[in-house]
Amino acid sequence: GNSVTQMEGPVTLSEEAFLTINCTYTATGYPSLFWYVQYPGEGLQLLLKATKADDKGSNKGFEATYRKETTSFHLEKGSVQVSDSAVYFCALASGSARQLTFGSGTQLTVLP
Amino acid sequence: GAVVSQHPSRVICKSGTSVKIECRSLDFQATTMFWYRQFPKKSLMLMATSNEGSKATYEQGVEKDKFLINHASLTLSTLTVTSAHPEDSSFYICSARRTSGGIEQFFGPGTRLTVL
Repeated sequence: GNSVTQMEGPVTLSEEAFLTINCTYTATGYPSLFWYVQYPGEGLQLLLKATKADDKGSNKGFEATYRKETTSFHLEKGSVQVSDSAVYFCALASGSARQLTFGSGTQLTVLP
Repeated sequence: GAVVSQHPSRVICKSGTSVKIECRSLDFQATTMFWYRQFPKKSLMLMATSNEGSKATYEQGVEKDKFLINHASLTLSTLTVTSAHPEDSSFYICSARRTSGGIEQFFGPGTRLTVL
């Protein structure tokens, strides 16, 4: 079956630090890959996505590249802000219904 | 655009009672909606896929008679937790996919259920 493994949190960084949250996956076929963000008290929001190998998704300074050879989709940001504090979920969609399979989530706290 | 609401945002009920949670797509039509359960510090677990006008498809291990799903219109799906027990206490999240196409799911803010 499909699965997503992402680095355990929580992650605490100082403002302007570099962020990496690792994500690897196992899937049949050719999944689409996503990063979702959940700010405190809010629902999940799509942060970025990539639908095929070597695609790079980017949004709000965050980037992730779909690496088929390493089955990875690591999230990076060069300089985090306090407002980036949230829980980040890696996910994949596959199968005819394109259902989402989520990783366990990584809590990020950015300190001023 | 693509806003999904849930009602109520939190509910407390007594053991043995039933609770209904609504999920609405406010500015788009959604043939397919999904219901998830999120445990503390855990990922979202897909419970069922709800298709308008047909029976929901439940994931393995999810009791369909306990978690009743009705998707009667293109903008509304409901999840009813029947005969709730304390172990049903959780954060329930719905998402919706546009009828017009695309694989993206738009998520509601979630409903916190506490069963006493």
